[in-house]
Amino acid sequence: DTAVSQTPKYLVTQMGNDKSIKCEQNLGHDTMYWYKQDSKKFLKIMFSYNNKELIINETVPNRFSPKSPDKAHLNLHINSLELGDSAVYFCASTRGNPHEQYFGPGTRLTVT
Amino acid sequence: DAKTTQPPSMDCAEGRAANLPCNHSTISGNEYVYWYRQIHSQGPQYIIHGLKNNETNEMASLIITEDRKSSTLILPHATLRDTAVYYCIVRVPLSTASKLTFGTGTRLQVTL
Repeated sequence: DTAVSQTPKYLVTQMGNDKSIKCEQNLGHDTMYWYKQDSKKFLKIMFSYNNKELIINETVPNRFSPKSPDKAHLNLHINSLELGDSAVYFCASTRGNPHEQYFGPGTRLTVT
Repeated sequence: DAKTTQPPSMDCAEGRAANLPCNHSTISGNEYVYWYRQIHSQGPQYIIHGLKNNETNEMASLIITEDRKSSTLILPHATLRDTAVYYCIVRVPLSTASKLTFGTGTRLQVTL
């Protein structure tokens, strides 16, 4: 009965490849987020979707493209991976009034 | 969003109360105080939030000073499982476009 799940948990790939990370929530929430946590442990928001519409788009390279096929899913596709993309990526979700965000377990991406 | 200042690290003996301070001297009248924590290798976890009154839930208590310029998160009986990085965040939760901005937090180490 996992609330927010992400796949895969670990992803190791080479520079230049294209990869996707999937996120699903079974909480009935209508807003989902992607965060990036770098090696220094800073956690920064990347994107937010509300009812499948993009509402927050931070300064993120356009190699990163989120896609929300429905309210329960928010996937992150990354083109032409670079070494600096190595990080832990967290998905989160919340209901309309975002007091409390529920985070997934994270996907550790390593680009070699 | 108002900036917060937290000590980088704290220790607490198991079974004792852990009191984690946060300074938010530039907080505005409609900004809430939120606390999240991140246990090693996990996603952040919501703990509690408040506007101006003290709050308590099953996890912790939140004490906000009368001038709202600082607050303290209290874990009444810390256990080893409470070892984590604790983040104090202030923000206006009025819309889905409102972001959580994580700082560097306080690393709490609970010891035997």
